[in-house]
Amino acid sequence: SQTIHQWPATLVQPVGSPLSLECTVEGTSNPNLYWYRQAAGRGLQLLFYSVGIGQISSEVPQNLSASRPQDRQFILSSKKLLLSDSGFYLCAWIEKTGAGELFFGEGSRLTVL
Amino acid sequence: AQRVTQPEKLLSVFKGAPVELKCNYSYSGSPELFWYVQYSRQRLQLLLRHISRESIKGFTADLNKGETSFHLKKPFAQEEDSAMYYCALRQGSSNTGKLIFGQGTTLQVKP
Repeated sequence: SQTIHQWPATLVQPVGSPLSLECTVEGTSNPNLYWYRQAAGRGLQLLFYSVGIGQISSEVPQNLSASRPQDRQFILSSKKLLLSDSGFYLCAWIEKTGAGELFFGEGSRLTVL
Repeated sequence: AQRVTQPEKLLSVFKGAPVELKCNYSYSGSPELFWYVQYSRQRLQLLLRHISRESIKGFTADLNKGETSFHLKKPFAQEEDSAMYYCALRQGSSNTGKLIFGQGTTLQVKP
């Protein structure tokens, strides 16, 4: 069966520090991968998606970047965190056709102080 | 531009009362519509999709293209229905699979 893992689950970082959130998927090949941010009052905002290794599409301009170094690995990064980067980050995957259900990870809560 | 609007941040009802969570969308093509739910301390998960036309946990949702709506309904709310509900849209022709979500509505079912 397919599973998706995210880590760390919680993170408290000072302003200006770097960030790396990691997501891996097991039990499937060549999935489409996504990073969403869940913020109060703003719902779920799509940040990045990837349809293959090294292929990243950004949905909103921001202080963050994403990378997909391996087929089932998706990383969310920042060189210098801002206060506004605080939030709950969700990784998700879907089968290659893009149809069907989107499966979410458990999320990573980032607090920038 | 694609947009999903859920006008209510919080909907509070008593157990046994009917529930309607509103969702309106903006999209010029043929969309696929979904409802996702997040129960306390659980992952966000699919509740239902319009193409399935099925009832899940007593919930139904009908796509109304004329009103561009996809409201989620249940005739008799249960306490275990308390959760955050998100309406989502996918371009019908898209193979990227990406979903555009609304702001979410917290459903609170009181005993």
